[in-house]
Amino acid sequence: GAVVSQHPSRVICKSGTSVKIECRSLDFQATTMFWYRQFPKQSLMLMATSNEGSKATYEQGVEKDKFLINHASLTLSTLTVTSAHPEDSSFYICSARAGTSLAETQYFGPGTRLLVL
Amino acid sequence: LAKTTQPISMDSYEGQEVNITCSHNNIATNDYITWYQQFPSQGPRFIIQGYKTKVTNEVASLFIPADRKSSTLSLPRVSLSDTAVYYCLVGDGTDSWGKLQFGAGTQVVVTP
Repeated sequence: GAVVSQHPSRVICKSGTSVKIECRSLDFQATTMFWYRQFPKQSLMLMATSNEGSKATYEQGVEKDKFLINHASLTLSTLTVTSAHPEDSSFYICSARAGTSLAETQYFGPGTRLLVL
Repeated sequence: LAKTTQPISMDSYEGQEVNITCSHNNIATNDYITWYQQFPSQGPRFIIQGYKTKVTNEVASLFIPADRKSSTLSLPRVSLSDTAVYYCLVGDGTDSWGKLQFGAGTQVVVTP
């Protein structure tokens, strides 16, 4: 099956710093990638949708200036948490979708655990 | 976006069949039904996807009635390692990007 990787798997940073998380589709080209956030004991919450070469579309309530998304190639999307604060501590998960058909399955990365001190 | 409703939790013993039913009354014509499994601190893992009738793979079966307003994921002969949260998702037929909105999921606990 399709493989999606994320790097780093976990990161600890100081409050006020920025953190970049990479999401890669390893064996397919991802037309669309998605970023989710998951707090403990909760479900995944969609943050934004990114298409290669265009601006990301953010879900309501997600600050686009705080969560910068870049989808520079068909195999790489990055999420940068700018000026991170303790409340940004969460599990960030990306997913990738190969084509544009609604039948195309989303494959998820292993997630990145962010802890902001 | 189509909303899904699943049981919050289900308990089972090893070797039994587990059936999780998901309701999606507002499913659109173009929507597919997809099920994922998630273990703690891991990303969701794709289990199965279907549009109508029955789909079977090496892991599970998915039953979808004619009206498509519900679906049932069937896990045959579960083992302890099947303890996880299972999510039923329905693609938004109006969204060409195929966004998925996760519901609360069903926590399945398998005991010896």
